Amino acid sequence: NAGVTQTPKFRVLKTGQSMTLLCAQDMNHEYMYWYRQDPGMGLRLIHYSVGEGTTAKGEVPDGYNVSRLKKQNFLLGLESAAPSQTSVYFCASSYASGGHYGGNNEQFFGPGTRLTVL
Amino acid sequence: SQQGEEDPQALSIQEGENATMNCSYKTSINNLQWYRQNSGRGLVHLILIRSNEREKHSGRLRVTLDTSKKSSSLLITASRAADTASYFCATGSFGNEKLTFGTGTRLTIIP
Repeated sequence: NAGVTQTPKFRVLKTGQSMTLLCAQDMNHEYMYWYRQDPGMGLRLIHYSVGEGTTAKGEVPDGYNVSRLKKQNFLLGLESAAPSQTSVYFCASSYASGGHYGGNNEQFFGPGTRLTVL
Repeated sequence: SQQGEEDPQALSIQEGENATMNCSYKTSINNLQWYRQNSGRGLVHLILIRSNEREKHSGRLRVTLDTSKKSSSLLITASRAADTASYFCATGSFGNEKLTFGTGTRLTIIP
């Protein structure tokens, strides 16, 4: 199993450009998450999904959109990139079991995408 | 806002020594988890302790949880150079579909 994969690994954008980050998981997990990590800030949740066709806002959703058309994929879009979106982006997935919410179980992380917006 | 706050922010110890890092949180939790992040990599889950547990072990890791003080500690015994990483605590709350991560402790093991 590949686990959680992210594409691309690195990207440089100019202000105003758009791009989509792709996250894929092969563990049949219901729950998927997008985080950003900035120095000294830890991980902050951008958006998440509790199942195919569903999305919800996290702590810092502004400037980002997401889609979960297939259970195994979770896309993060930047419509008009800004320098403040320079960060490392991590995708994670989790399973639901025995009535426990997915967010309360172990999360599996991808390797990250390093994005620079000039 | 961050739910968990790790202490210290950075820690350097000699190889073979024990490393202890702490996590404090603000609201009631269902469980608390610890993750490791090696430089430039994604986070890796280490251990989960539920709110009705007080202590848990996994190999060289020992986690304690004190819900009355809203705090947890992670002890790594007999540290190795490979333990050099950042360590994050994360809390899960009842009825919540997501975890809240702290800002992390940067651990450096000196060979």
